[in-house]
Amino acid sequence: DQQVKQNSPSLSVQEGRISILNCDYTNSMFDYFLWYKKYPAEGPTFLISISSIKDKNEDGRFTVFLNKSAKHLSLHIVPSQPGDSAVYFCAAKAAGNKLTFGGGTRVLVKP
Amino acid sequence: DAGITQSPRHKVTETGTPVTLRCHQTENHRYMYWYRQDPGHGLRLIHYSYGVKDTDKGEVSDGYSVSRSKTEDFLLTLESATSSQTSVYFCAISVSETGYNEQFFGPGTRLTVL
Repeated sequence: DQQVKQNSPSLSVQEGRISILNCDYTNSMFDYFLWYKKYPAEGPTFLISISSIKDKNEDGRFTVFLNKSAKHLSLHIVPSQPGDSAVYFCAAKAAGNKLTFGGGTRVLVKP
Repeated sequence: DAGITQSPRHKVTETGTPVTLRCHQTENHRYMYWYRQDPGHGLRLIHYSYGVKDTDKGEVSDGYSVSRSKTEDFLLTLESATSSQTSVYFCAISVSETGYNEQFFGPGTRLTVL
């Protein structure tokens, strides 16, 4: 049973527009959430995170929103750039130092 | 750059042979992890370590063993490789010893078991 789900395997967006990536989770004990970006043939790189005590965290073009009651988080990328084309993973942490990852969403930003 | 290297970067082996993958870090981070990445499954934790000789299982540990005899090295061994273990393997370290856990990943090892 997947505790972290990314229901959209892929997303295509025009350059300059907003990309919205979604992630749902089932474990109410998760207290920290992260987004990673992955290019082909490279390891995932940390992008942005949010604590469960917050509902929004912003870093430049990237904003993560957390809706605890809905057990849902989203990543907004504004404006989208061709270099944002990658696979994005959401991840969640409960007690301990382990992360649970979603299946990933492949984003294609068209020039 | 978290100073993580993995070796080999690519390997092709045959079913039933033993395989060892190495993860090396240049800093003395306590926590190290091994994941596998497969299409549709994201990254799944195989084993992790919280110190020298201290390891524990992740969600997909069957068929894998690990060892950590030095802080900087974390080895993943497939005792008898199977085709289902064809995957991309990532090592990660956690730079936050307590509290929040932002993990940083190595470049990966692509393993093909024929």
